This record gives sequence, C-alpha cells and structure tokens, in this order.
Amino acid sequence: DTEVTQTPKHLVMGMTNKKSLKCEQHMGHRAMYWYKQKAKKPPELMFVYSYEKLSINESVPSRFSPECPNSSLLNLHLHALQPEDSALYLCASSQDWAGGLTEAFFGQGTRLTVV
Amino acid sequence: DQQVKQNSPSLSVQEGRISILNCDYTNSMFDYFLWYKKYPAEGPTFLISISSIKDKNEDGRFTVFLNKSAKHLSLHIVPSQPGDSAVYFCAASADQTGANNLFFGTGTRLTVIP
Repeated sequence: DTEVTQTPKHLVMGMTNKKSLKCEQHMGHRAMYWYKQKAKKPPELMFVYSYEKLSINESVPSRFSPECPNSSLLNLHLHALQPEDSALYLCASSQDWAGGLTEAFFGQGTRLTVV
Repeated sequence: DQQVKQNSPSLSVQEGRISILNCDYTNSMFDYFLWYKKYPAEGPTFLISISSIKDKNEDGRFTVFLNKSAKHLSLHIVPSQPGDSAVYFCAASADQTGANNLFFGTGTRLTVIP
C-alpha cells in the first residue's frame, strides 16, 4: 500500500463552521505534512509532524489546528476560516524527517471552499 | 523570493519526441532535488530525484540532469507520450542541513500532442 488517503475530497464550509480534514497512510512513514495549494501556485508547506510530534509550523494562523493522533493519521482542524483560505489542501508522508525530506508521497488533496 | 524557478510556464511537444523541462535555483545550500508531476485536481506525484553528489539520474523514460555550477537542473522525458501531459514541479531542499523545507518551482505545463 503506497497510498496517502485524504478525506473528504471536497468540502464547502461557512466561515462559522468547524470541520476537519483527515489524512491516512499505512506505509510506516514517520513524517507527515500538510501543504496548501492555491490555483496556479506551487504547494506551500504548513505543518510537519515527525514521530507524531509537531516539528514545523510555518507561521500558520491558529484557525488551522493540526493533530496527529497516531503514526498513521494526520488531521487538520478548521475553525472560523476566511474565503481566502479556499484552496487545495494536500497531505504528504515520507519515511523520515530528521534525515531529510526525500521522496514524499502525496494524497489526492481536499478541495476546500469557504463561503 | 522564489528560490526555485521554472521559467517556462508551458511546453508543447510531439508524441515520441523528447521533452525537456528546466529548473533553476538560487540557494547554494540546496543539495537534493525532486520532480513532481501533477494532474488536474490531484496531488503531486513524485517522479524522480537527484542528490547533489550526482549529475545524472535515470529511471525509465525519465532522466534528471544536475549542473551545480549553473544551479540548473532539467528533466528529460524520452519518448514523450500523451499520458505525460501534466504540470511538472521542480522542488529542492537543503537536505543535509536538516532544514527539510521543500521549495517548489511554479510548474511547467507539458502538453504532448498525439
């Protein structure tokens, strides 16, 4: 199984809603990532988890709250988002983080629309 | 400041010919480079990588060349196939410093014409 699975594929939420994005991998990878991609732009790193601990937070607003309940799961909790937060949210995983980011496997992404 | 640049936003190539996608970078600390392929509405898919200790890495129809002195890398696809039509992202990291942030270029849209 070389897949990173993200759910849901599409999400429309209001600015007062609370929702969560989920990401799952069963490759035994110990590093997991959240990226945000706006149209026609490259993916931008948001968070890195290594061995279930938050290692990097790229100055992401607190309305985005990551959580890593175990080594296979990564969540991104959303609350009080703004319309400009509408984007494709990508989850990725790689074997290790401390040794450097090598090949990362990406999920299909969640297309988020904030209305 | 864009540390990884792909100056050609699009490229069209006839099926069977060679596709050459270029990427330039500015940070001399980068020592690991990757190419990703992305279809519409999907996440990027890892394609091929190269470490700075090499100048060439080959995997099937895909070859990546690295010119460290010019801070330039290129991806060659030979022969090109219609299924190769996608957006290709070049990415770089300062792997050995442990920084681990992956810097992406803005992408080149490749269209392979049957």
